[in-house]
Amino acid sequence: KAGVTQTPRYLIKTRGQQVTLSCSPISGHRSVSWYQQTPGQGLQFLFEYFSETQRNKGNFPGRFSGRQFSNSRSEMNVSTLELGDSALYLCASSLSAGGRSSYEQYFGPGTRLTVT
Amino acid sequence: GDSVTQMEGPVTLSEEAFLTINCTYTATGYPSLFWYVQYPGEGLQLLLKATKADDKGSNKGFEATYRKETTSFHLEKGSVQVSDSAVYFCALPIYNQGGKLIFGQGTELSVKP
Repeated sequence: KAGVTQTPRYLIKTRGQQVTLSCSPISGHRSVSWYQQTPGQGLQFLFEYFSETQRNKGNFPGRFSGRQFSNSRSEMNVSTLELGDSALYLCASSLSAGGRSSYEQYFGPGTRLTVT
Repeated sequence: GDSVTQMEGPVTLSEEAFLTINCTYTATGYPSLFWYVQYPGEGLQLLLKATKADDKGSNKGFEATYRKETTSFHLEKGSVQVSDSAVYFCALPIYNQGGKLIFGQGTELSVKP
């Protein structure tokens, strides 16, 4: 089975621009979660999508948004980029079919975003 | 609220040394517990898991036992290799928010030949 894929792997943007990152989950997985990883803050949860609906949300400003499509693929968007948004953005998928095994999340390689 | 605390790194060991990375947690209920590993330039890989108290997760020579009485999930390996050099994260799902994992701060392991 193919793993979680993320595109692009690297991005360089300028302050004030907006960016869209894409994530394709493992086949059959219905839940997609996004995380931001920085040296200072570590791994922080952004949001989770399940069946095209945002099910959970972390403490990030409204500039961070996402969506999920009917095939479970997900995108996240960051508008009006700030220098502090430079980070590794990780996507994870899980079955989320109920039961403890649904909590297992499988991560993609991440998108490295640099804001200049 | 729920939280995960890991021992600080970096940890530097010689090849074949014994490894312990401490992880303690505070949680509502009795969640599953996970260890993830991140190799340089890569995403996170699920290393092992335990779904209930006294469970022992194991994979690639690594082990961790879910200790409810001490709220701990320490990672151990009897003989580390250079290829084990990576950052290790302890994680747990938030009660009733299954898609949300909280992570420890990560422990960087460096194994020297």
